[in-house]
Amino acid sequence: DSGVTQTPKHLITATGQRVTLRCSPRSGDLSVYWYQQSLDQGLQFLIQYYNGEERAKGNILERFSAQQFPDLHSELNLSSLELGDSALYFCASSFRSVGTGELFFGEGSRLTVL
Amino acid sequence: DAKTTQPTSMDCAEGRAANLPCNHSTISGNEYVYWYRQIHSQGPQYIIHGLKNNETNEMASLIITEDRKSSTLILPHATLRDTAVYYCIVRVAERGSNDYKLSFGAGTTVTVRA
Repeated sequence: DSGVTQTPKHLITATGQRVTLRCSPRSGDLSVYWYQQSLDQGLQFLIQYYNGEERAKGNILERFSAQQFPDLHSELNLSSLELGDSALYFCASSFRSVGTGELFFGEGSRLTVL
Repeated sequence: DAKTTQPTSMDCAEGRAANLPCNHSTISGNEYVYWYRQIHSQGPQYIIHGLKNNETNEMASLIITEDRKSSTLILPHATLRDTAVYYCIVRVAERGSNDYKLSFGAGTTVTVRA
């Protein structure tokens, strides 16, 4: 158990819909990272927040947005969903923005778009 | 980030040492070598990291060549539970760096056989 909690574990929805994925980082961790893993793309970095502020952006689509709240939990919002958005979405946390590089990953949210 | 090159797959016998190579010939002086693994569809798990000295922890050992252009992750006594995809990643880990993310490649699929 990494200490990072992601909900929901599984989600099935239709094209055009909007979903929100939630992540609670390890106690005390200030940095949250979101990754997408689809069968043909591997693990792709989406976005990172540190103590409520966006710190780095990767290959995140404009239809996707994220935020980190004062209690440090984070949400990833996916809208106008397409079939290709079906993937595992992982959240990871670390204490600092940079440092040892040890990220703690949650078990992921599996999104299926039909 | 410097690119890394890993074999696509490798087999290992249970109870034997597993030696996983990684080439990172363009690594910069301030880039660390990190290893993570991902057991089928679970969140990636941190294993070990190092800069230029060999490192050992309860999970594995990391051997970095003197010129730092390659490294080897050693699982001393592989078990069936070590079957996973192993990722070698190089990244800056200094305060003030603008690179906050870990970039995962395709990794090496390691299969431990009884």
